[in-house]
Amino acid sequence: KQEVTQIPAALSVPEGENLVLNCSFTDSAIYNLQWFRQDPGKGLTSLLLIQSSQREQTSGRLNASLDKSSGRSTLYIAASQPGDSATYLCAVREDGGSQGNLIFGKGTKLSVKP
Amino acid sequence: DVKVTQSSRYLVKRTGEKVFLECVQDMDHENMFWYRQDPGLGLRLIYFSYDVKMKEKGDIPEGYSVSREKKERFSLILESASTNQTSMYLCASSLKAGDLVGANVLTFGAGSRLTVL
Repeated sequence: KQEVTQIPAALSVPEGENLVLNCSFTDSAIYNLQWFRQDPGKGLTSLLLIQSSQREQTSGRLNASLDKSSGRSTLYIAASQPGDSATYLCAVREDGGSQGNLIFGKGTKLSVKP
Repeated sequence: DVKVTQSSRYLVKRTGEKVFLECVQDMDHENMFWYRQDPGLGLRLIYFSYDVKMKEKGDIPEGYSVSREKKERFSLILESASTNQTSMYLCASSLKAGDLVGANVLTFGAGSRLTVL
């Protein structure tokens, strides 16, 4: 059964630092991988989606990479800001799986200190 | 921008009550989802609908039912609420999978925090 793991569960960094969030999955047969941001008490906001045929996606200061064979994805945040403080979740859709079958990690809670 | 609106941000109900959680999206998305989110357990899929009147069970459908009579509306129903259904409920929608730009990208509502006493 596919499992998605995000380590660390929490991370605190000073403002301006570049940082990497990690996501690993146990079965490499995925259709796509998506990164989300969640602010406290709110819903999720989609940040980046990487199809299985892609290696990376970029949006502003965010860059997500995907290495299917090793079962890993990273979310790189450049020049972090206090406004980046949130919980970041990754989710995979399995190859051949139902469109509804997204498997989420438990998230990394990021705190960026001014 | 796609908007997914959940009718209630906070609800407090009593054990045994019937509870309706409503979700409406305004971008003609085929797919709609209901998740619950609990500390330490993450997001778990309750039900998924890929078309009007069509539904699939997710990982934890027990104690829940859903209704999709119109494309834009997906309702989650707790027939007889129990304390272990106290949780944050998140609705999401997406275009049908395919080559369209934006397909597969989930858009979430703000969530409905339900407390069952």
